[in-house]
Amino acid sequence: QSALTQPRSVSGSPGQSITISCAGTSNDVGRYNYVSWYQQHPGKAPKLKIYNVNERPSGVPDRFSGSKSGNTASLIISGLQAEDEADYYCFSFAGGNTLVFGGGTKLTVL
Amino acid sequence: EEQLVESGGGLAQPGGSLRLSCAASGFTFSNYNMNWVRQAPGKGLEWVSYITKTSSVVYYADSVKGRFTMSRDNAKNSLYLQMTSLGVEDTAVYYCVRDGDRGFDLDNWGQGTLVTVSS
Repeated sequence: QSALTQPRSVSGSPGQSITISCAGTSNDVGRYNYVSWYQQHPGKAPKLKIYNVNERPSGVPDRFSGSKSGNTASLIISGLQAEDEADYYCFSFAGGNTLVFGGGTKLTVL
Repeated sequence: EEQLVESGGGLAQPGGSLRLSCAASGFTFSNYNMNWVRQAPGKGLEWVSYITKTSSVVYYADSVKGRFTMSRDNAKNSLYLQMTSLGVEDTAVYYCVRDGDRGFDLDNWGQGTLVTVSS
């Protein structure tokens, strides 16, 4: 059960777009479309932003989108806003009765 | 309002046990699969366990398999995590999390309860 691989940090200026990658293997991200993304502000519980690779729950702005290519999933945030500064985690079903998170990425809005 | 409220956290000694509870309200608890997710201080999220609506299937992370037992009581709208043989590495905030049933999407999180394992 190895954690999915995310960059430790990314940054962008307000209005810009950023991408956070989530690298897995052919046994998890590459095999299943059960990839979701979570935003966590300091001291708060995480919040679901994307599920099933690219689906948005109601209430999540369309600035948040997701994609997948091979064994790597990506979260794209366009039109960056100050409130987007947070930690982001990917999460995937890994088969064999296992679920796994990425290590997390700290997004800084410059 | 759909809500999950954890309780039962606190200080435990290495090798000791603790039982976490999670009270669900505002939605039909029995319609949802559930999870426990933990976060060590200053660290990332770690999935701990998953249980189906009828308790027919329970999954565990390798790090807790054989030591933790997840269960639920749909009549009481409650989720549980029995933790035994606790080690310092189990120190974390433990979140009760609902699976939105759209493909392992964790759509509703409790506020978390802190478990500290220390002598």
